[in-house]
Amino acid sequence: AAGVIQSPRHLIKEKRETATLKCYPIPRHDTVYWYQQGPGQDPQFLISFYEKMQSDKGSIPDRFSAQQFSDYHSELNMSSLELGDSALYFCASSKGQGYTEAFFGQGTRLTVV
Amino acid sequence: QKEVEQNSGPLSVPEGAIASLNCTYSDRVSQSFFWYRQYSGKSPELIMSIYSNGDKEDGRFTAQLNKASQYVSLLIRDSQPSDSATYLCAVEGRQLTFGSGTQLTVLP
Repeated sequence: AAGVIQSPRHLIKEKRETATLKCYPIPRHDTVYWYQQGPGQDPQFLISFYEKMQSDKGSIPDRFSAQQFSDYHSELNMSSLELGDSALYFCASSKGQGYTEAFFGQGTRLTVV
Repeated sequence: QKEVEQNSGPLSVPEGAIASLNCTYSDRVSQSFFWYRQYSGKSPELIMSIYSNGDKEDGRFTAQLNKASQYVSLLIRDSQPSDSATYLCAVEGRQLTFGSGTQLTVLP
């Protein structure tokens, strides 16, 4: 069965650079969630989209932005990168808004040097 | 106070034993509850979902929900070394809110 696809899998950037992470949800899933997970921490919710509209916002820094496109894929744009942004970034998708099972992609490991 | 609390770990059980993982949540109107398994450096993998009070069984896994007590648990029967991972309890509203996870080690 098709799963959530994230790209790239690994990314190394320098401080103050910009990064773009992409997420392709499971076909027919209309909701996308973005999470950040630091070492030894639980996933922290960043932002979510339902039917191409932002549905909820968590602890996403102002330096980050995201959107969901007409084909339901989503991109997380991260600017002015800081060392503390180094983490695993996960995207998850589900069908419908809330109360449904969400499935995670394999994640993007971002390293800021 | 965190919205989703899990019993502190790490938890070690011998192979073949029952592992019991517990979770409490603070939002009384929560409707959907999930258990994810996460191996180190990998993404969370959905292993159980439960929406109604009572027990739900899937193979060696049993999820239990008590909405009155705001309590969710996961039992893993006949634990195997391959079950060694971090187990994350998640509660869904407009987003998935995770607990801090319980690290389970199954000793051969």
